[in-house]
Amino acid sequence: DAGVIQSPRHEVTEMGQEVTLRCKPISGHNSLFWYRQTMMRGLELLIYFNNNVPIDDSGMPEDRFSAKMPNASFSTLKIQPSEPRDSAVYFCASSSHPGAATEAFFGQGTRLTVV
Amino acid sequence: QQQVKQSPQSLIVQKGGISIINCAYENTAFDYFPWYQQFPGKGPALLIAIRPDVSEKKEGRFTISFNKSAKQFSLHIMDSQPGDSATYFCAASMSGYSTLTFGKGTMLLVSP
Repeated sequence: DAGVIQSPRHEVTEMGQEVTLRCKPISGHNSLFWYRQTMMRGLELLIYFNNNVPIDDSGMPEDRFSAKMPNASFSTLKIQPSEPRDSAVYFCASSSHPGAATEAFFGQGTRLTVV
Repeated sequence: QQQVKQSPQSLIVQKGGISIINCAYENTAFDYFPWYQQFPGKGPALLIAIRPDVSEKKEGRFTISFNKSAKQFSLHIMDSQPGDSATYFCAASMSGYSTLTFGKGTMLLVSP
């Protein structure tokens, strides 16, 4: 398996524009996570899906952020409108055995810069 | 969100030395404690993990020490090598809830 695949790897956009980040989890994994990484706040969980259903979105910063998982092999994280403070590295991760504490596999991340 | 506190923020160790990173947690329901390693431009990857039924776990040069009563755990890297230079994150999770709560990370630099 190629692991968790994220696209794009880098995104530079202007303030106010819509940004869509994409993720393909490892085949067979039931859980999918979106994390945001910044120097100040470290790795923050944004949202967690189990079997394509959002379970915990309490980490989503505000209504400008939305996430979907239309099927087991694809998820998107959308920011609309984007702001400079959204600049960060966004990671998608997946794991098997939902409900059990087990290894999460991370993608290589999308580095977002909002100017 | 329950906290996991990690220290130090950064660490410089001579090649061949021992690197020690510490973490403390609050939620006694946590029952899975992994350490993740992250190289620049990459996502975090699982390095080693421990569950609270043991006090120590060793994999090669990497050892986790776990103190349940103190709610602390630490990562020891023996014979540290320049290739170990990376950011290390401790994390915690609980059964029935798959998400990981991460510490803020420690940037380790092993000087040649």
